[in-house]
Amino acid sequence: NAGVTQTPKFRVLKTGQSMTLLCAQDMNHEYMYWYRQDPGMGLRLIHYSVGEGTTAKGEVPDGYNVSRLKKQNFLLGLESAAPSQTSVYFCASRQSGISNQPQHFGDGTRLSIL
Amino acid sequence: AQSVTQLGSHVSVSEGALVLLRCNYSSSVPPYLFWYVQYPNQGLQLLLKYTTGATLVKGINGFEAEFKKSETSFHLTKPSAHMSDAAEYFCAVSLYDKIIFGKGTRLHILP
Repeated sequence: NAGVTQTPKFRVLKTGQSMTLLCAQDMNHEYMYWYRQDPGMGLRLIHYSVGEGTTAKGEVPDGYNVSRLKKQNFLLGLESAAPSQTSVYFCASRQSGISNQPQHFGDGTRLSIL
Repeated sequence: AQSVTQLGSHVSVSEGALVLLRCNYSSSVPPYLFWYVQYPNQGLQLLLKYTTGATLVKGINGFEAEFKKSETSFHLTKPSAHMSDAAEYFCAVSLYDKIIFGKGTRLHILP
């Protein structure tokens, strides 16, 4: 079972470059999330989606955009990368918004901005 | 508003000793609580969850957690630590569309 797959696994960018991170899930989950993980900061929610065609801001949305054109995919975009966006990015999916449902995580994308 | 506090960013225990990772939550509604584990260079995996019913919840790899409403706690325990338990552990509380994570506790196992 693939579960949640993130592409790419590693990337190095120069300041000002743009890129898109792809998250794909094969569990037919309604909800999808993007987090960033930094040392000592835990997981911080960037954006999330409660269904195809919907997106919402999380805790740290500035500098990022997202799209959910297909139910199984959730894209995270950096239009003009900054060194402060160096981080590990995790995607997660969840069957629904029912509170007892856990999230399922991908293995992360390690992004360095020079 | 829901929030989670994990006491201790680093915890060290000897192999074979009791593991105790502390988590306190605040919630304005009956909470749904989770523990996740993250091994190096991997994503988070669900260890266990509390929804309703039995307050002692058993998870994978011999871990368990006890929900104590009076203490607003959901501490994670394992009777005997193994080297393979070295990882980062996250406590989390569900808030409608989102799950709120603590900042994590890194568990070190001493030989």
